[in-house]
Formats: sequence, C-alpha cells, structure tokens
Amino acid sequence: DIQMTQSPSTLSASVGDRVTITCRASQSVGNWLAWYQQKPGKAPKLLIYRASSLESEVPSRFSGSGSGTEFTLTISSLQPDDFASYYCQQYNSNSRSFGQGTKLEIK
Amino acid sequence: EVQLVESGGGLVKPGGSLRLSCAASGFPFSSYIMHWVRQAPGKGLEWVSSISTTSNYIYYADSLKGRFTISRDNAKNSVYLQMNSLRAEDTAVYYCAREWGIRSPIDYWGQGSLVTVSS
Repeated sequence: DIQMTQSPSTLSASVGDRVTITCRASQSVGNWLAWYQQKPGKAPKLLIYRASSLESEVPSRFSGSGSGTEFTLTISSLQPDDFASYYCQQYNSNSRSFGQGTKLEIK
Repeated sequence: EVQLVESGGGLVKPGGSLRLSCAASGFPFSSYIMHWVRQAPGKGLEWVSSISTTSNYIYYADSLKGRFTISRDNAKNSVYLQMNSLRAEDTAVYYCAREWGIRSPIDYWGQGSLVTVSS
C-alpha cells in the first residue's frame, strides 16, 4: 500500500499569513493527489484535485503543486475561515490512502 | 441537490455486527464509484472500501482483514457496509462518499454515522 505522510502535523499561523503544507508519498502517485479541508464535526470538503486543479467555488488563495512523490498545498493569505484540518489523499491506486492530517491553528 | 445520508450506526458490543446504509439522491448514483471512509475520534481519515458502478470491482483496506463487506443496490440508490467481528478500534464516524470514475477524486461526502464498539 502507498503511505502518505504530511508535515507538519500542526501549524500555528495568523490571519494574512502564507502557509504551506507538504504531503509525501511512499511511491509515485503521478499527479493523482487531492487535498481536503475538514472542520470539526463536518465532512471533508474537496479543495484541490489532480495535484493542482482547484475545485469549483474554492477560493483562489488555495493552490496545489507537485507530482510523483512530493506535493504541497499553499494558502496565500490565511482567512479566519481557513483554520481547519487538511488532508491529502492519493487516488493512483485502488487502495486509497490519506495523509495523517495537518491541523491549522490560530497563533 | 446532492445528498448522501448514512444510517445504521450505534452502540455495539465487541464481536458484534452492524450494517451501515447510505442513501444517495440528486445525482446519477449508478454512474458513480462509492466509498466508505472512517474517522476515529480525534484521529485522521482512513479509507475503508470502494465499490465500482456495477459491483464488479471491490477493494478493501488491508487492515480490515475480511471483516467488512461493501455492497450496493443501484435500484435503491444505496450503498451498504456490513461490519462483522467488530472491535473497539473500529469505533469511528463512517462516511460514505462518491467518486465520478477512474482517476477521479472523491468529490462529495455524507455527514457520517457514528459507530461505537464498547461493552
């Protein structure tokens, strides 16, 4: 199975900051990588697919990059609504896998 | 409006069984691959299983070791997860989710159903 590792596990930042979350795969997943945002008590929401494509109605301050085994999610200017948990997921293999998550906290 | 509504969760004793259901509406259910994903309290997301549009292709997480069975009924716009030999570590919110097709991401999730395994 493909293992996905995110870093950092927790990130403290302020409104207006630029933040980057990294996701590494144990083997190449091409660009079949998605990013999700999850708020407490809610279902995850798709933000980015195919590593860098922005899902409809997702603000343009979110962006994704990378291919193969290393990927990043960047939020260019944090807004209050962005404080949440973020997960990467590979969908290159039939057995899907998620990163362990990054909790974005207010500094 | 797309809707995925899970049901069937609850409290079950270790070793017991439970069947989760997910009712879909607002989209052509039979055209979508369906997944179950779970999240233990305070933990991250864990993919559980997926089933293809015609049930020909079914996949499970290795960690389940044959205890769970996914199925679907396209006539009823529903997907199911039969869970047997439940353990405390199976305690989680179970989400059903849809995927458009091969090499597509999961793009919509239900609100989840809590399964608690405890004596």
